[in-house]
Amino acid sequence: GQQLNQSPQSMFIQEGEDVSMNCTSSSIFNTWLWYKQDPGEGPVLLIALYKAGELTSNGRLTAQFGITRKDSFLNISASIPSDVGIYFCAGLYSGGGADGLTFGKGTHLIIQP
Amino acid sequence: EPEVTQTPSHQVTQMGQEVILRCVPISNHLYFYWYRQILGQKVEFLVSFYNNEISEKSEIFDDQFSVERPDGSNFTLKIRSTKLEDSAMYFCASSETGNYGYTFGSGTRLTVV
Repeated sequence: GQQLNQSPQSMFIQEGEDVSMNCTSSSIFNTWLWYKQDPGEGPVLLIALYKAGELTSNGRLTAQFGITRKDSFLNISASIPSDVGIYFCAGLYSGGGADGLTFGKGTHLIIQP
Repeated sequence: EPEVTQTPSHQVTQMGQEVILRCVPISNHLYFYWYRQILGQKVEFLVSFYNNEISEKSEIFDDQFSVERPDGSNFTLKIRSTKLEDSAMYFCASSETGNYGYTFGSGTRLTVV
């Protein structure tokens, strides 16, 4: 099946630093989604990307859909304590609309005091 | 903001017992999904449902699993005879068009003992 390689696996940063994480795949996707998951909660959608080359921002978050449709990155600027959590990329091929998402293994963001 | 609601939040069951996990998708959404997340691992697709039938299922979704939309609002996942390895968070999701508005519930933590 399709696989997403997400990196880094974890990040230890200081408050105020910028963060960058990415996902790559050997298969193309038509949609890239970035989610944040807090402990015991479901994934919450941060940014959705629907077009190759698209660059989208949501507050301090910026994500891009790679031009080859095989990769995406997420940047967080000026990190704050509430950014702590696990960030997942997810790709959707969506041939017929009912395809399941393929998730990366997550990037665990830890902010050191 | 509309949300996907899942009940119960936590279920403990004995091995071999049947469990039914319940979900109320967002009301105008047409596509429904179940995902599973074993503790510390990535989210994995189980099944998608559209137009009152299964659209796609993963290799995890074997004969022990079934889904149903018993009325106009609920969407259920049944595990016929639970195994220890079925212990996981189970997330329901719904989507307006198959990619747009893809929203997850908060999950049901299933513990099989």
